[in-house]
Amino acid sequence: LAKTTQPISMDSYEGQEVNITCSHNNIATNDYITWYQQFPSQGPRFIIQGYKTKVTNEVASLFIPADRKSSTLSLPRVSLSDTAVYYCLVGGGVSNDYKLSFGAGTTVTVRA
Amino acid sequence: DTGVSQDPRHKITKRGQNVTFRCDPISEHNRLYWYRQTLGQGPEFLTYFQNEAQLEKSRLLSDRFSAERPKGSFSTLEIQRTEQGDSAMYLCASSSDRGRYEQYFGPGTRLTVT
Repeated sequence: LAKTTQPISMDSYEGQEVNITCSHNNIATNDYITWYQQFPSQGPRFIIQGYKTKVTNEVASLFIPADRKSSTLSLPRVSLSDTAVYYCLVGGGVSNDYKLSFGAGTTVTVRA
Repeated sequence: DTGVSQDPRHKITKRGQNVTFRCDPISEHNRLYWYRQTLGQGPEFLTYFQNEAQLEKSRLLSDRFSAERPKGSFSTLEIQRTEQGDSAMYLCASSSDRGRYEQYFGPGTRLTVT
């Protein structure tokens, strides 16, 4: 059973807000929700992590409802350089949980 | 630059040859990971070191693969008798004890086996 489910692809235009929702119905009590970004021919880059409610940093915001069964990554005012694959992962809440399990991710394409 | 570095960035080899990749993690990170990524897929976990101890190996890591992390610093990943199916991007990442899911990835080594 997949730990997370997210859309395969999303299209947007420069200046718009992009929201990617990830479903994780079986999230464990100790699990964190973590998002990575990957550009072609580069390693993934950690962008944000949260446990509950809302987290914001200079790159994105992460919204987590009370039941934690889903989360939404929000990218404000995207530019062409935000075109990338975005991965949603859950886990990391216990000391022996360190293997990142990437799915296929969401390919976000930003157009001019 | 204090990020994770990998060398070489690209490697083309003939089937049956041995190859070795190097990873230099962020200096204060004691955890080091290797992943493999094929086209169109997310990275897959291969192995994990805490300091110099290799604590886990994925079943993807056949006996032709070996990884080391002497003195808990840099790490090497060696593939013996390469096969065409080994062609992939090999990614190294490091993290602190607290940031287990906050891993910092290097640029990867792209291996092509001809």
